[in-house]
Amino acid sequence: NAGVTQTPKFRVLKTGQSMTLLCAQDMNHEYMYWYRQDPGMGLRLIHYSVGEGTTAKGEVPDGYNVSRLKKQNFLLGLESAAPSQTSVYFCASTLDGVTGELFFGEGSRLTVL
Amino acid sequence: EDKVVQSPLSLVVHEGDTVTLNCSYEVTNFRSLLWYKQEKKAPTFLFMLTSSGIEKKSGRLSSILDKKELSSILNITATQTGDSAIYLCAVEAGRGAQKLVFGQGTRLTINP
Repeated sequence: NAGVTQTPKFRVLKTGQSMTLLCAQDMNHEYMYWYRQDPGMGLRLIHYSVGEGTTAKGEVPDGYNVSRLKKQNFLLGLESAAPSQTSVYFCASTLDGVTGELFFGEGSRLTVL
Repeated sequence: EDKVVQSPLSLVVHEGDTVTLNCSYEVTNFRSLLWYKQEKKAPTFLFMLTSSGIEKKSGRLSSILDKKELSSILNITATQTGDSAIYLCAVEAGRGAQKLVFGQGTRLTINP
């Protein structure tokens, strides 16, 4: 029973490089979210999805793209990484929207040099 | 713009003390307020408070929602070193929203 799994857990990129973070959940949850966490700023929503094939923008979507081709997976892409995207990224999911509790992955620490 | 503000940002106390963490919000169409505890990695769920459930308690932790003052408090009594963590407050709000707005978090340190 893995819950929410994020890969990779750590990554160092150079400015301009691209990468994809993968979030996988095995709880058959409909809703999935990508957050970033920076010191003193709490968690900020990047993008979210309310079901397979759907995506929507959150508070800080610029510089990121997402896809939800399969219900269990939610991918976060950085096409051209910038130092401002250095952060810890958390994926979360919930069965019925946030009227239930969010289940978080363990985070992915990304450093852009 | 929806906003959630927590205070204090950082708190250091001795084991056995009682602490109160604050969360205030300015949002449209408030639906619920949630508290999470974050130790080393992922946040874990503590409480959810709504208009129909404004007070929750679990062991030494309790939380109250004040809809008039647009705020919530999280109380921890008889603190232990294992309570050291970042405590996050989040509000679900907005029309048709299925997302949370988080506060900055309160870093709580319990010294033995």
